[in-house]
Amino acid sequence: EDQVTQSPEALRLQEGESSSLNCSYTVSGLRGLFWYRQDPGKGPEFLFTLYSAGEEKEKERLKATLTKKESFLHITAPKPEDSATYLCAVRISGANSKLTFGKGITLSVRP
Amino acid sequence: NAGVTQTPKFQVLKTGQSMTLQCAQDMNHEYMSWYRQDPGMGLRLIHYSVGAGITDQGEVPNGYNVSRSTTEDFPLRLLSAAPSQTSVYFCASSLQGRDNSPLHFGNGTRLTVT
Repeated sequence: EDQVTQSPEALRLQEGESSSLNCSYTVSGLRGLFWYRQDPGKGPEFLFTLYSAGEEKEKERLKATLTKKESFLHITAPKPEDSATYLCAVRISGANSKLTFGKGITLSVRP
Repeated sequence: NAGVTQTPKFQVLKTGQSMTLQCAQDMNHEYMSWYRQDPGMGLRLIHYSVGAGITDQGEVPNGYNVSRSTTEDFPLRLLSAAPSQTSVYFCASSLQGRDNSPLHFGNGTRLTVT
């Protein structure tokens, strides 16, 4: 069974304290790994797509990386506005646009 | 550009009542889908559609019906609401079903069934 596991479940950081969020997956035929940000009361907002091991993508203070078994979302010098839940999802071959989501990581950044 | 619009934002139903959650997108996306989000669980796919007139089941389809008569609209119908259907429902769309374009989500409908 395809699985996506995110850790830790929750993370509290001080403003400026860099850290990483983990997404590990056990799927066959990975076509893409997606990171989303979700604010309270809102729908998930797309951040990145990673396609193959070794790939990296950056956006402001966020950098996503991918290996054959896991992905990391690195947050450099976070600010309070980075507080949100970060979701990881995978798409496998032959599954149309179906995404399998992890449970999410709730990030809180204190000023 | 409105993106994906869901109505209503909140709804309370009694057990056994029926209702339709509305979803519309203005991006000319072929693929549309419904997810539910429950505490402690990841988003789970209910139903999806790869184009007008075509629908299929996701991983948790029981108790829900869908239809896709136009490209823009993809309503989700609850036939006889049950407390287990209390959840937040998200509609999402993407350009095509076979490529790797990201899903765009609406802001959800929070449903409570008493």
